[in-house]
Amino acid sequence: AQTVTQSQPEMSVQEAETVTLSCTYDTSENNYYLFWYKQPPSRQMILVIRQEAYKQQNATENRFSVNFQKAAKSFSLKISDSQLGDTAMYFCAFMSQYNNNDMRFGAGTRLTVKP
Amino acid sequence: DGGITQSPKYLFRKEGQNVTLSCEQNLNHDAMYWYRQDPGQGLRLIYYSQIVNDFQKGDIAEGYSVSREKKESFPLTVTSAQKNPTAFYLCASSIMTSGWGETQYFGPGTRLLVL
Repeated sequence: AQTVTQSQPEMSVQEAETVTLSCTYDTSENNYYLFWYKQPPSRQMILVIRQEAYKQQNATENRFSVNFQKAAKSFSLKISDSQLGDTAMYFCAFMSQYNNNDMRFGAGTRLTVKP
Repeated sequence: DGGITQSPKYLFRKEGQNVTLSCEQNLNHDAMYWYRQDPGQGLRLIYYSQIVNDFQKGDIAEGYSVSREKKESFPLTVTSAQKNPTAFYLCASSIMTSGWGETQYFGPGTRLLVL
């Protein structure tokens, strides 16, 4: 079974600075989807960004971008110009092409943006 | 506004009691999911359903039951057989047009506590 590892339980960043959250995963599949979700204190899970494995170009969404390294099985999230509203838990998730109903989540990274 | 609603926000269960968590979506999504979130852990899949009157077990289905009588609704019952039900429960849904890789969208969650 695929596993997703987020090695940073907690991180902090100063407002307006840049921070990178790490995610690695284990799979033998060639194509799959990867996601970053944000869970603010309200606990509502919100999609931040997604990446399909066969696409070489890294996904970007405004201040959020990923560094997808397929060979290394790494999928890090970069947040530029951090804002106080970015304070949240961030979860990395893997979706198999063979079982698209079963997303595997990492344990999460708690990010605090300091004023 | 389209979205996913979950009720109640907080639920208290007594020993030996079955309780039902509600999940409704008006996004016209085909698939619906139930996840459990424990502190320090990522989300784990309990059950999912791709079409009405059909559902499949996830990794931790023991002690839970579901039904899918309407496309919009996917209630989760936590039975007395679930010995450690205290957790945060999240419902999600997705379309199924391409068969896989579709983003899952989440409801606001229900916090279940045992008295």
